[in-house]
Amino acid sequence: EIVMTQSPATLSVSPGERATLSCRASQSVSSNLAWYQQKPGQAPRLLIYGASTRATGIPARFSGSGSGTEFTLTISSLQSEDFAVYYCQQYNNWPSTFGQGTKVEIK
Amino acid sequence: QVTLKESGPVLVKPTETLTLTCTVSGFSLSNARMGVSWIRQPPGKALEWLAHIFSNDEKSYSTSLKSRLTISKDTSKSQVVLTMTNMDPVDTATYYCARIHVTIFGVPNWFDPWGQGTLVTVSS
Repeated sequence: EIVMTQSPATLSVSPGERATLSCRASQSVSSNLAWYQQKPGQAPRLLIYGASTRATGIPARFSGSGSGTEFTLTISSLQSEDFAVYYCQQYNNWPSTFGQGTKVEIK
Repeated sequence: QVTLKESGPVLVKPTETLTLTCTVSGFSLSNARMGVSWIRQPPGKALEWLAHIFSNDEKSYSTSLKSRLTISKDTSKSQVVLTMTNMDPVDTATYYCARIHVTIFGVPNWFDPWGQGTLVTVSS
């Protein structure tokens, strides 16, 4: 089973600043990686799939990059609605596995 | 509009069997490019994939929970059912169903969208 490790666990960012979240896989997952956003009391929402393709309706300030074992989710200019927990998911090898999440909080 | 909605008991006793139902709308469970997964999240913790089922009735289960899980579907009712036997307090979690995207080669990918989730507490 592939282990997904996200860092940092918590990221404190001021509105309007850039946020960079990392996700590392214990072995290569090619580009078979997705990112999700979860707000308190809500279900996760798909942001990115294929490591870099934005899902329908996702603002352009969200971008994903990476392949193999190292991936990054970048939020170019944080808006108030972006403060949430973000999870990565690999679907290259099943069972699919998620990272532990990065909480983006207001600085 | 694609929606999924989970239903089931909010409280189960240890050793009991949990049965959860996911009712979908906006897509058909007979669509070859889609399936339905169950995923859970203990309070304050990360997400854990449990099982999925495809249109051709192909099923897959979490390695660690395989012996306790059964997934099935009723296409005519647009429902997917998950049963988990021998419930334990550590199984307390919000249980989500989600549509899973499937490639033309039958490979499962990402989850989108998700249901609102249902919190199941295991306690005597």
